Amino acid sequence: ETGVTQTPRHLVMGMTNKKSLKCEQHLGHNAMYWYKQSAKKPLELMFVYNFKEQTENNSVPSRFSPECPNSSHLFLHLHTLQPEDSALYLCASSPGLAGESYEQYFGPGTRLTVT
Amino acid sequence: GQNIDQPTEMTATEGAIVQINCTYQTSGFNGLFWYQQHAGEAPTFLSYNVLDGLEEKGRFSSFLSRSKGYSYLLLKELQMKDSASYLCAVRDSNYQLIWGAGTKLIIKP
Repeated sequence: ETGVTQTPRHLVMGMTNKKSLKCEQHLGHNAMYWYKQSAKKPLELMFVYNFKEQTENNSVPSRFSPECPNSSHLFLHLHTLQPEDSALYLCASSPGLAGESYEQYFGPGTRLTVT
Repeated sequence: GQNIDQPTEMTATEGAIVQINCTYQTSGFNGLFWYQQHAGEAPTFLSYNVLDGLEEKGRFSSFLSRSKGYSYLLLKELQMKDSASYLCAVRDSNYQLIWGAGTKLIIKP
């Protein structure tokens, strides 16, 4: 148990559906992240939030829309996805963004399949 | 561009020692991380190096040479539960983590 939970664990959706992924951290951290992990590829950073403010948006298509209502919760809203968006979506948190050896704590991920 | 290279897959025998290499070219350097990821699970933190040299933590050690842009993760007394992917990540000048694709380690009895 890493203190970061994600729901749902598995999601199958059609290209016209709208769904949301949820992440919650119980570690008192201030920074939260969304990553995409595809087979045999490096983790791709999608979004970063620090104290609820978005600090990074790594050229992510607008069909992915993040929301961070507070430092403990992070959402990823999905709409009109493409089959190539099928991947494992990982949420992570860390005490802060910079300085010290701030390792990131990951949730178990949501396995997304777009049909 | 920024790049992290590590072998795609390695095989080792239970009880043996294995070294997983990682080379990097990044815009600045603010530390190197190793994570372990079992199939279907979250990556978990193993080690952090920011200065040159060896950091030892039980059966696992991590080495860094900043001048060579090189690190390795050394696993001793391998156990079957060490079968996993090992991810190398470098924090660049913007404190963003740049990730390698991971090394899948297969342990055989």
